[in-house]
Amino acid sequence: AQKVTQAQTEISVVEKEDVTLDCVYETRDTTYYLFWYKQPPSGELVFLIRRNSFDEQNEISGRYSWNFQKSTSSFNFTITASQVVDSAVYFCALRGSARQLTFGSGTQLTVLP
Amino acid sequence: DAGVIQSPRHEVTEMGQEVTLRCKPISGHNSLFWYRQTMMRGLELLIYFNNNVPIDDSGMPEDRFSAKMPNASFSTLKIQPSEPRDSAVYFCASSLTGGAGNEQFFGPGTRLTVL
Repeated sequence: AQKVTQAQTEISVVEKEDVTLDCVYETRDTTYYLFWYKQPPSGELVFLIRRNSFDEQNEISGRYSWNFQKSTSSFNFTITASQVVDSAVYFCALRGSARQLTFGSGTQLTVLP
Repeated sequence: DAGVIQSPRHEVTEMGQEVTLRCKPISGHNSLFWYRQTMMRGLELLIYFNNNVPIDDSGMPEDRFSAKMPNASFSTLKIQPSEPRDSAVYFCASSLTGGAGNEQFFGPGTRLTVL
């Protein structure tokens, strides 16, 4: 069985603050993939990033960065200099041998002007 | 390029009625997924197809739910008879292949309300 835990239900920050969204996962698979999706108020799910279990190199893309640590089974997501448009629900997801994408419960991020 | 297309975007129906949700995956994608999102249960996989063949339908809640994929460019999710607890947002997603590393691209969803 696989499981994704996003302990932060809601986070509220003021514009330009940095914010980190936590994700902890459980899986028995040795090969697996981790994903982050964003769901803005309009409702669609937008793919942000994918990481495989063999690639622990952290990545920065503009204001977004990801910290994958296999030793702690964590795949955290940081937004630098947050903006109001970043307000959304962010989902962490895991896909292993079972092929199904298991989502966490999501973190509602609100960026206040 | 068009993304995943779902119709209708909103559906309001009465308990006991049949509901059919439709999905057109991204052209060239071989895998298609149906998810349901509710406040209580979050995002759940209902069923997925690979090359038009259902691979895993263990998430389909009960016999009232059925899904078909008659060809590579069309899928339906049918609920008959519908019940108020079926109210949710239903997402369709597609990916290039069924491989675990392929990201899934989601449609805009169908918001279903069963009165």
